[in-house]
Amino acid sequence: GAVVSQHPSWVICKSGTSVKIECRSLDFQATTMFWYRQFPKQSLMLMATSNEGSKATYEQGVEKDKFLINHASLTLSTLTVTSAHPEDSSFYICSASREGFGEQYFGPGTRLTVT
Amino acid sequence: AQSVTQLDSQVPVFEEAPVELRCNYSSSVSVYLFWYVQYPNQGLQLLLKYLSGSTLVKGINGFEAEFNKSQTSFHLRKPSVHISDTAEYFCAVSDVGGADGLTFGKGTHLIIQP
Repeated sequence: GAVVSQHPSWVICKSGTSVKIECRSLDFQATTMFWYRQFPKQSLMLMATSNEGSKATYEQGVEKDKFLINHASLTLSTLTVTSAHPEDSSFYICSASREGFGEQYFGPGTRLTVT
Repeated sequence: AQSVTQLDSQVPVFEEAPVELRCNYSSSVSVYLFWYVQYPNQGLQLLLKYLSGSTLVKGINGFEAEFNKSQTSFHLRKPSVHISDTAEYFCAVSDVGGADGLTFGKGTHLIIQP
């Protein structure tokens, strides 16, 4: 149980275009979903926290208008990278948590390459 | 604010030898602690977690960790490593309840030498 999926697993897009990444909790209702970013050979950095039906809370230094997060249901959150540039190329990982459970369940990640 | 320190960026160990990966944290509130493993080009896999109760926590693949509140540490240990344990290991902390996201350490690359 507690499986989280991400789609797509890998995406290449041209500079200036937007790309959407989906994060789904497959067998549980996620009260909170988190988005992390990982540069090559580096650690994960929390980008934002989202609760279903509420606006996402962004970490300091993360551009809200560039990284749009929508948590439309208890099983789906989306991250849209708008007007992507090569410096946005990274590994994006989502996680989800259930109320009353202390841990987060991680998706397999999405590798974004902007050319 | 919370922080996690993994002092060793890289740890080389011979196969079948014991290993300890160090993790220290800083927090003004009570915490949950986690160890994750990441294989190349893959997501994170939870090795073990401390939420409450016994300070010695056993996880998957023969790993264990001990929560030491006085030393604010959560070191990961394995008595005998295998080639397949070669990976990146991340220590992470969250506040109790997990409402906020995880704060990760910089990671330790475990290299198993034959």
